[in-house]
Amino acid sequence: EAGVAQSPRYKIIEKRQSVAFWCNPISGHATLYWYQQILGQGPKLLIQFQNNGVVDDSQLPKDRFSAERLKGVDSTLKIQPAKLEDSAVYLCASSSLVRDTQYFGPGTRLTVL
Amino acid sequence: AQKVTQAQTEISVVEKEDVTLDCVYETRDTTYYLFWYKQPPSGELVFLIRRNSFDEQNEISGRYSWNFQKSTSSFNFTITASQVVDSAVYFCALKRGANNLFFGTGTRLTVIP
Repeated sequence: EAGVAQSPRYKIIEKRQSVAFWCNPISGHATLYWYQQILGQGPKLLIQFQNNGVVDDSQLPKDRFSAERLKGVDSTLKIQPAKLEDSAVYLCASSSLVRDTQYFGPGTRLTVL
Repeated sequence: AQKVTQAQTEISVVEKEDVTLDCVYETRDTTYYLFWYKQPPSGELVFLIRRNSFDEQNEISGRYSWNFQKSTSSFNFTITASQVVDSAVYFCALKRGANNLFFGTGTRLTVIP
Protein backbone atom coordinates (compact mmCIF):
# COMPACT_ATOMS: atom_id res chain seq x y z
CA GLU A 1 0.00 0.00 0.00
CA ALA A 2 1.41 3.36 -1.01
CA GLY A 3 2.07 5.85 1.75
CA VAL A 4 1.32 9.56 1.93
CA ALA A 5 2.93 11.40 -0.97
CA GLN A 6 4.11 15.00 -0.82
CA SER A 7 5.79 17.34 -3.24
CA PRO A 8 8.06 19.13 -3.56
CA ARG A 9 10.50 17.77 -0.99
CA TYR A 10 12.43 21.02 -0.78
CA LYS A 11 11.61 24.62 -1.64
CA ILE A 12 13.60 27.82 -1.26
CA ILE A 13 11.87 31.16 -1.79
CA GLU A 14 12.36 34.77 -0.87
CA LYS A 15 10.12 36.52 1.62
CA ARG A 16 6.90 37.91 0.20
CA GLN A 17 6.82 35.25 -2.52
CA SER A 18 4.11 32.62 -2.65
CA VAL A 19 4.51 28.84 -2.45
CA ALA A 20 2.26 25.79 -2.68
CA PHE A 21 2.63 22.27 -1.36
CA TRP A 22 0.78 19.19 -2.55
CA CYS A 23 -0.28 16.08 -0.65
CA ASN A 24 -1.86 12.81 -1.72
CA PRO A 25 -3.09 10.71 1.22
CA ILE A 26 -3.19 6.95 1.62
CA SER A 27 -5.94 5.52 -0.57
CA GLY A 28 -9.24 5.37 1.29
CA HIS A 29 -8.24 7.71 4.09
CA ALA A 30 -10.99 10.25 4.60
CA THR A 31 -9.09 12.51 6.99
CA LEU A 32 -6.13 14.63 5.95
CA TYR A 33 -3.95 16.86 8.12
CA TRP A 34 -1.34 19.54 7.50
CA TYR A 35 1.27 20.15 10.18
CA GLN A 36 4.05 22.70 10.54
CA GLN A 37 7.26 21.55 12.20
CA ILE A 38 9.74 24.26 13.11
CA LEU A 39 13.31 23.11 13.70
CA GLY A 40 13.73 21.59 17.14
CA GLN A 41 10.00 21.37 17.85
CA GLY A 42 7.24 18.83 17.49
CA PRO A 43 4.72 19.12 14.65
CA LYS A 44 1.80 21.49 15.17
CA LEU A 45 -1.50 21.08 13.41
CA LEU A 46 -2.44 23.72 10.86
CA ILE A 47 -5.62 22.27 9.40
CA GLN A 48 -7.64 19.05 9.36
CA PHE A 49 -9.99 17.94 6.59
CA GLN A 50 -12.55 15.17 6.63
CA ASN A 51 -13.35 14.35 3.03
CA ASN A 52 -13.52 17.83 1.48
CA GLY A 53 -14.73 19.67 4.59
CA VAL A 54 -12.63 21.53 7.15
CA VAL A 55 -12.82 20.04 10.66
CA ASP A 56 -10.26 22.22 12.43
CA ASP A 57 -8.35 25.23 11.12
CA SER A 58 -8.06 27.10 14.41
CA GLN A 59 -4.24 27.21 14.22
CA LEU A 60 -4.02 28.22 10.55
CA PRO A 61 -2.77 31.82 10.02
CA LYS A 62 -5.56 32.65 7.65
CA ASP A 63 -4.14 36.00 6.60
CA ARG A 64 -1.41 34.20 4.66
CA PHE A 65 -2.11 30.46 4.68
CA SER A 66 -4.85 28.68 2.77
CA ALA A 67 -5.61 25.04 2.08
CA GLU A 68 -8.08 23.12 0.01
CA ARG A 69 -9.15 19.56 -0.63
CA LEU A 70 -11.66 20.02 -3.39
CA LYS A 71 -12.39 16.41 -4.36
CA GLY A 72 -11.83 14.88 -0.96
CA VAL A 73 -8.58 13.21 -2.00
CA ASP A 74 -5.42 15.25 -2.54
CA SER A 75 -4.83 18.63 -0.96
CA THR A 76 -2.87 21.82 -1.51
CA LEU A 77 -1.47 24.14 1.15
CA LYS A 78 -0.51 27.66 0.06
CA ILE A 79 1.41 30.46 1.71
CA GLN A 80 1.07 33.96 0.29
CA PRO A 81 3.07 36.04 1.07
CA ALA A 82 5.75 34.04 2.88
CA LYS A 83 7.60 35.38 5.90
CA LEU A 84 10.96 34.38 7.31
CA GLU A 85 9.27 32.64 10.25
CA ASP A 86 7.46 30.29 7.85
CA SER A 87 10.71 28.39 7.35
CA ALA A 88 9.82 24.90 8.53
CA VAL A 89 8.95 21.39 7.42
CA TYR A 90 5.35 21.02 6.30
CA LEU A 91 4.03 17.55 6.97
CA CYS A 92 0.92 15.97 5.57
CA ALA A 93 -0.77 13.05 7.32
CA SER A 94 -3.86 10.96 6.73
CA SER A 95 -6.04 8.58 8.70
CA SER A 96 -9.06 6.40 8.15
CA LEU A 97 -12.42 6.89 9.86
CA VAL A 98 -12.26 3.40 11.31
CA ARG A 99 -8.93 3.78 13.07
CA ASP A 100 -7.63 7.30 13.42
CA THR A 101 -3.93 6.60 13.67
CA GLN A 102 -2.20 9.23 11.55
CA TYR A 103 0.35 8.23 8.94
CA PHE A 104 2.75 10.89 7.72
CA GLY A 105 4.35 11.78 4.44
CA PRO A 106 8.03 12.71 3.98
CA GLY A 107 7.35 16.44 4.35
CA THR A 108 8.35 19.54 2.42
CA ARG A 109 11.24 21.54 3.81
CA LEU A 110 10.62 25.25 3.16
CA THR A 111 13.35 27.85 3.48
CA VAL A 112 12.34 31.51 3.28
CA LEU A 113 15.25 33.89 2.64
CA ALA B 1 -5.29 21.78 28.95
CA GLN B 2 -2.90 19.16 27.71
CA LYS B 3 0.83 18.84 27.85
CA VAL B 4 3.43 16.33 26.74
CA THR B 5 6.90 16.56 28.27
CA GLN B 6 9.94 14.84 26.88
CA ALA B 7 12.58 16.08 29.27
CA GLN B 8 15.48 14.38 27.50
CA THR B 9 16.46 16.63 24.61
CA GLU B 10 19.34 14.48 23.41
CA ILE B 11 20.66 11.05 24.36
CA SER B 12 23.77 9.28 23.10
CA VAL B 13 24.42 5.60 23.64
CA VAL B 14 26.92 3.11 22.34
CA GLU B 15 25.58 0.42 20.05
CA LYS B 16 24.04 -2.58 21.86
CA GLU B 17 23.25 -0.56 24.98
CA ASP B 18 19.66 -0.32 26.16
CA VAL B 19 18.05 3.13 26.25
CA THR B 20 14.80 4.46 27.68
CA LEU B 21 13.06 7.55 26.35
CA ASP B 22 10.78 9.27 28.85
CA CYS B 23 7.36 10.77 28.18
CA VAL B 24 5.15 12.44 30.78
CA TYR B 25 1.74 13.76 29.84
CA GLU B 26 -1.00 15.88 31.37
CA THR B 27 -4.69 15.70 30.60
CA ARG B 28 -7.94 15.89 32.53
CA ASP B 29 -9.70 13.50 30.18
CA THR B 30 -10.34 9.92 31.20
CA THR B 31 -10.28 8.72 27.61
CA TYR B 32 -7.19 9.52 25.59
CA TYR B 33 -4.59 7.93 23.36
CA LEU B 34 -0.82 7.98 23.48
CA PHE B 35 1.52 7.53 20.56
CA TRP B 36 5.19 7.23 19.76
CA TYR B 37 6.60 8.27 16.40
CA LYS B 38 10.13 8.01 15.02
CA GLN B 39 11.56 10.71 12.78
CA PRO B 40 14.76 9.56 11.03
CA PRO B 41 17.00 12.02 9.17
CA SER B 42 14.86 11.58 6.06
CA GLY B 43 12.16 13.56 7.88
CA GLU B 44 9.17 11.27 7.66
CA LEU B 45 7.34 10.54 10.92
CA VAL B 46 7.03 6.79 11.33
CA PHE B 47 4.24 5.46 13.53
CA LEU B 48 5.48 3.06 16.24
CA ILE B 49 2.66 2.48 18.70
CA ARG B 50 -0.76 3.63 19.84
CA ARG B 51 -2.11 2.97 23.33
CA ASN B 52 -5.50 3.92 24.76
CA SER B 53 -5.96 5.09 28.32
CA PHE B 54 -7.82 1.97 29.40
CA ASP B 55 -5.07 -0.40 28.38
CA GLU B 56 -2.14 -0.32 30.76
CA GLN B 57 -0.57 -3.51 29.53
CA ASN B 58 3.03 -3.11 28.59
CA GLU B 59 3.86 -3.98 25.02
CA ILE B 60 6.90 -5.51 23.40
CA SER B 61 7.65 -5.49 19.70
CA GLY B 62 11.03 -6.95 18.86
CA ARG B 63 13.66 -4.71 20.46
CA TYR B 64 11.06 -2.08 21.36
CA SER B 65 8.98 -2.03 24.53
CA TRP B 66 6.62 0.47 26.07
CA ASN B 67 5.71 1.02 29.72
CA PHE B 68 2.43 2.84 30.33
CA GLN B 69 1.72 3.91 33.91
CA LYS B 70 -1.39 6.01 34.51
CA SER B 71 -0.44 6.53 38.15
CA THR B 72 2.57 8.59 37.10
CA SER B 73 1.14 9.78 33.74
CA SER B 74 4.08 8.28 31.93
CA PHE B 75 4.47 6.36 28.70
CA ASN B 76 8.13 5.43 28.40
CA PHE B 77 9.81 3.76 25.44
CA THR B 78 12.76 1.37 25.74
CA ILE B 79 15.01 0.18 22.95
CA THR B 80 16.97 -2.94 23.81
CA ALA B 81 20.35 -3.63 22.21
CA SER B 82 20.32 -0.34 20.30
CA GLN B 83 21.53 -0.19 16.72
CA VAL B 84 22.85 2.65 14.57
CA VAL B 85 19.59 2.57 12.57
CA ASP B 86 17.75 3.57 15.74
CA SER B 87 19.34 7.02 15.52
CA ALA B 88 16.46 9.44 15.06
CA VAL B 89 14.24 11.93 16.85
CA TYR B 90 11.47 10.23 18.79
CA PHE B 91 8.20 12.00 19.54
CA CYS B 92 5.58 11.15 22.11
CA ALA B 93 2.07 12.45 21.35
CA LEU B 94 -1.30 12.70 23.09
CA LYS B 95 -4.75 12.61 21.51
CA ARG B 96 -7.85 13.49 23.49
CA GLY B 97 -11.10 12.18 22.06
CA ALA B 98 -11.73 13.66 18.63
CA ASN B 99 -9.01 16.26 19.08
CA ASN B 100 -5.82 16.09 17.17
CA LEU B 101 -2.37 14.91 18.10
CA PHE B 102 -0.43 17.07 20.53
CA PHE B 103 3.29 16.35 20.26
CA GLY B 104 6.11 16.67 22.73
CA THR B 105 9.32 18.40 21.72
CA GLY B 106 11.09 15.15 20.89
CA THR B 107 14.20 13.32 22.03
CA ARG B 108 17.13 13.03 19.66
CA LEU B 109 18.77 9.61 20.03
CA THR B 110 22.24 9.02 18.66
CA VAL B 111 23.58 5.49 18.63
CA ILE B 112 27.34 5.44 18.32
CA PRO B 113 28.86 2.43 16.54
